[in-house]
Amino acid sequence: EIVMTQSPATLSVSPGERATLSCRASQSFSSNLAWYQQKPGQAPRLLIYGASTRVTGVPARFSGSGSGTEFTLTISSLQSEDFAVYYCQQYNNGWTFGQGTKVEIK
Amino acid sequence: EVQLLESGGGLVQPGGSLRLSCTASGFTFSNFAMNWVRQAPGKGLEWVSGISGRGDDTYYADSVKGRFTISRDNSKNTLYLQMNSLRAGDTAVYHCAKNPVSWSGYYSDYWGQGTRVTVSS
Repeated sequence: EIVMTQSPATLSVSPGERATLSCRASQSFSSNLAWYQQKPGQAPRLLIYGASTRVTGVPARFSGSGSGTEFTLTISSLQSEDFAVYYCQQYNNGWTFGQGTKVEIK
Repeated sequence: EVQLLESGGGLVQPGGSLRLSCTASGFTFSNFAMNWVRQAPGKGLEWVSGISGRGDDTYYADSVKGRFTISRDNSKNTLYLQMNSLRAGDTAVYHCAKNPVSWSGYYSDYWGQGTRVTVSS
């Protein structure tokens, strides 16, 4: 099983600042990685797939990068609606999720 | 508009059974694989089970293998999860999630809000 480890667990950021979320895989793979956003009481929302392809309708301030064992989600300028929990998920071999990064208001 | 609506959750005693349903609309249900993903209180996401669009391929997490059965009725646009021998560790919100393709092993592009399952005496 591929284990996904996200860091940090909590990220405190001021509105307008840049946020960088990391996701590390226990085994290397190319690009079968997705990022989801989840707000309290809501279903997860797909943001990025294929490590770097943004879903239609997702703001351009969200970007994904990486391959191998290191992946990154960057939010270039945080807006109030971006404060949420973010999960990475590998779908290269089965499905496993990271434990999540909570982005909170500083 | 894609909509996924889960139902069937509730309170059940350890060792009991429940059947969850997920009714889909807004897309051709039989063309897409589906999954169940659960989220224990205050915890992250855990994939539970997946099924191909035609229903001929099914997959399970080790934690539920032999206890849970995923199925679908494409004539009713409905996904099911039969859960037997329930344990306290199965307590979670269960989401159904749609894949963008007919086979399993992809990400999910739409998710339902979930149905809560509580296993307790």
